[in-house]
Amino acid sequence: AQSVTQLGSHVSVSEGALVLLRCNYSSSVPPYLFWYVQYPNQGLQLLLKYTSAATLVKGINGFEAEFKKSETSFHLTKPSAHMSDAAEYFCAVSDWGGGFKTIFGAGTRLFVKA
Amino acid sequence: DAGVTQSPTHLIKTRGQQVTLRCSPKSGHDTVSWYQQALGQGPQFIFQYYEEEERQRGNFPDRFSGHQFPNYSSELNVNALWLGDSALYLCASSLMRIRDEVAETQYFGPGTRLLVL
Repeated sequence: AQSVTQLGSHVSVSEGALVLLRCNYSSSVPPYLFWYVQYPNQGLQLLLKYTSAATLVKGINGFEAEFKKSETSFHLTKPSAHMSDAAEYFCAVSDWGGGFKTIFGAGTRLFVKA
Repeated sequence: DAGVTQSPTHLIKTRGQQVTLRCSPKSGHDTVSWYQQALGQGPQFIFQYYEEEERQRGNFPDRFSGHQFPNYSSELNVNALWLGDSALYLCASSLMRIRDEVAETQYFGPGTRLLVL
């Protein structure tokens, strides 16, 4: 069975500081991994996805994530936080490109301080 | 190009009632998945429809049922509502490329917020 663990339900950073959101996964087959962002009262927007083509994945809004098989991790980073990055972030895993059943983590709320 | 649309945006029901939520997929997509997102939690997979059939199902009781129409739109029905069914219900659409055994990325709608009193 697949699962996702997001370390830290809340993360607070100062504007301009590094953003690091942690995600560990468990999968019995090569996984497809995703990061989604959710702004208040909205649906989910895809930030980036890993599909085995490259271990370092670049997404929208300056975010990127690195797939580390040995650590079963897929942490999300952004070099410099912006106030508009404040939102809920979800890591997710699926077994067939995202079209099949997708398992989400519990989410990490990112706060950005001025 | 319209994205995934859902209706209604908000809904209030009482325990024991039945509810139907609707979803129109992104243009060109043929697969619809439904998720339940309780307050403060991540979305949980309910089921997925492709070619008008339920293809996969999560750990949800039979009170949750669905349908997909020939135009790929979908409905989620919940019978005998419980207080615990209060949540944001998200619909996601994608394109299933069976020949390549690749399913494209899911695109999510804004959700329907259901409150059960």
